[in-house]
Amino acid sequence: AQSVAQPEDQVNVAEGNPLTVKCTYSVSGNPYLFWYVQYPNRGLQFLLKYITGDNLVKGSYGFEAEFNKSQTSFHLKKPSALVSDSALYFCAVKGDYGQNFVFGPGTRLSVLP
Amino acid sequence: DADVTQTPRNRITKTGKRIMLECSQTKGHDRMYWYRQDPGLGLQLIYYSFDVKDINKGEISDGYSVSRQAQAKFSLSLESAIPNQTALYFCATSASDSGRAGTQYFGPGTRLLVL
Repeated sequence: AQSVAQPEDQVNVAEGNPLTVKCTYSVSGNPYLFWYVQYPNRGLQFLLKYITGDNLVKGSYGFEAEFNKSQTSFHLKKPSALVSDSALYFCAVKGDYGQNFVFGPGTRLSVLP
Repeated sequence: DADVTQTPRNRITKTGKRIMLECSQTKGHDRMYWYRQDPGLGLQLIYYSFDVKDINKGEISDGYSVSRQAQAKFSLSLESAIPNQTALYFCATSASDSGRAGTQYFGPGTRLLVL
């Protein structure tokens, strides 16, 4: 079975500080990993994905994520947070043998001015 | 994402009523999905369709039905709405030629309240 965990319901950071939003997963076979962001009253927007290759993936709005196979993690990072980054972030995963993606419960990021 | 539209954006209905949520896309994608979002639970897949003649149940299909009227249109129906179907509903699309890990593109959502 496929599963995703986002261990933090809420992450608070000060503007200008680095941010990390955590994601761990469980799949059979190779994982395909995604991060999406949801702003209020909007649908989910694609940020970045890992399929294969370099473990550090760069995405939209200065975000990046690091794939760690041994720790089965795919944490989202940004070197310097902006107030406008405040939103709900979802990690999603699919394995080689999975038909569809499984989404995590979401982590609410608040960047404080 | 303006390429994926959902109607209505908000809907209030009563227990036992039949309602339909509609999704249209101009992205030319052949795959379409319906999800519901509940606080703290993330997104749960209701139904998905890989082409016009292909309809599949997701993890929480009970109480729901779908219709794929055309490649660009995918409707979700609640035959007899109940209060625990109160949620935010999202339609999404993806392209089959993007392989196993095609990016999904989401509509703006429909907020449904069942009284």
